[in-house]
Amino acid sequence: SAVISQKPSRDICQRGTSLTIQCQVDSQVTMMFWYRQQPGQSLTLIATANQGSEATYESGFVIDKFPISRPNLTFSTLTVSNMSPEDSSIYLCSVVPSSSYEQYFGPGTRLTVT
Amino acid sequence: GQQVMQIPQYQHVQEGEDFTTYCNSSTTLSNIQWYKQRPGGHPVFLIQLVKSGEVKKQKRLTFQFGEAKKNSSLHITATQTTDVGTYFCADSNQAGTALIFGKGTTLSVSS
Repeated sequence: SAVISQKPSRDICQRGTSLTIQCQVDSQVTMMFWYRQQPGQSLTLIATANQGSEATYESGFVIDKFPISRPNLTFSTLTVSNMSPEDSSIYLCSVVPSSSYEQYFGPGTRLTVT
Repeated sequence: GQQVMQIPQYQHVQEGEDFTTYCNSSTTLSNIQWYKQRPGGHPVFLIQLVKSGEVKKQKRLTFQFGEAKKNSSLHITATQTTDVGTYFCADSNQAGTALIFGKGTTLSVSS
């Protein structure tokens, strides 16, 4: 299993600013991902955070808007840049421990952009 | 990976009634996972199905994987208020690493 914490848990931001979300895991994991979940909607995969190399982004998501860092096997950050109200969402990180196939999710960061 | 379609989007039942959600794909799935998300919570893994025709049970929950591996279902017998939440099926992305989630079925239960 894996225990994941995220900071901040929620934030209200002004449009045009940027917010960096942190994800910390209690064990080393190879696979780490960032998802977005808009209110009442499903989860959308933003990117795979690769340790030591650039993140792999899904269609519709770009590095300039969502830069990701993965300095080691227990930590990652997602930055939401130049925010607009459309970025209001819950952002979740998730991991797959090496010995498992199930994904574990963090508690999420609820972002509101005004 | 490809988008899996889930139906229904919403389901309301009386406590004690049964509930089923369906997940369909136009292409063959290598495997499928099911997650439950309680209101205000994050998704929690329920099960993974891999084999054609596979049936797995967890107490009142029964999971099935179709013979052609293009569909799956989750059936809850005699629902309880603790079953409330959104149930998602999920398929692997093209890299075979992350999950692509269906739109989910939100279950509400009245006592």
